[in-house]
Amino acid sequence: NAGVMQNPRHLVRRRGQEARLRCSPMKGHSHVYWYRQLPEEGLKFMVYLQKENIIDESGMPKERFSAEFPKEGPSILRIQQVVRGDSAAYFCASSPGLTSYEQYFGPGTRLTVT
Amino acid sequence: RKEVEQDPGPFNVPEGATVAFNCTYSNSASQSFFWYRQDCRKEPKLLMSVYSSGNEDGRFTAQLNRASQYISLLIRDSKLSDSATYLCVVNKGRSGNTPLVFGKGTRLSVIA
Repeated sequence: NAGVMQNPRHLVRRRGQEARLRCSPMKGHSHVYWYRQLPEEGLKFMVYLQKENIIDESGMPKERFSAEFPKEGPSILRIQQVVRGDSAAYFCASSPGLTSYEQYFGPGTRLTVT
Repeated sequence: RKEVEQDPGPFNVPEGATVAFNCTYSNSASQSFFWYRQDCRKEPKLLMSVYSSGNEDGRFTAQLNRASQYISLLIRDSKLSDSATYLCVVNKGRSGNTPLVFGKGTRLSVIA
């Protein structure tokens, strides 16, 4: 049973470009969470999605950030017009939901904005 | 008050030592509690869930005190491979399916 998959593992973008981060949850998991970890900081929640629905986006910056989890395919975290302050590790986690609330994390995408 | 507070350490202990980490949380509505470990530049890995009755997994024992909003982790017979940052984690609200709130972590170094 494959774990949570994220790609790319490393992403370099220039200021003003767009970044797209992908997350495929574990098989059988329908709940996806995105977290961000700034250098030397703890993980901070960004958004919680189930298939085709955003459940909680209280941790998302109001502008430039969006997320989706379509019926088919991975969850996408999209950052438009990236700035240096967006440089961080972005982790996706999934959980099965009804049977367990434990969240399992993917290896993360390290975004560097130059 | 921070949502989840931990002593950042570092804790430097010899192999074979017993070490304890503590954590407090501010949201009395939290229902799920966990310890994760994070190695440098890696993803957090679930170490164990924490229950009111306390639970043990090999050398690791976790305790929860809801009245004091306090969580602990005890590691016995420390190994070099236990060196990592230990994250105290609680869920955000009353339902189990809610986002997690992370402490900043306690760094442990086990020395030969």
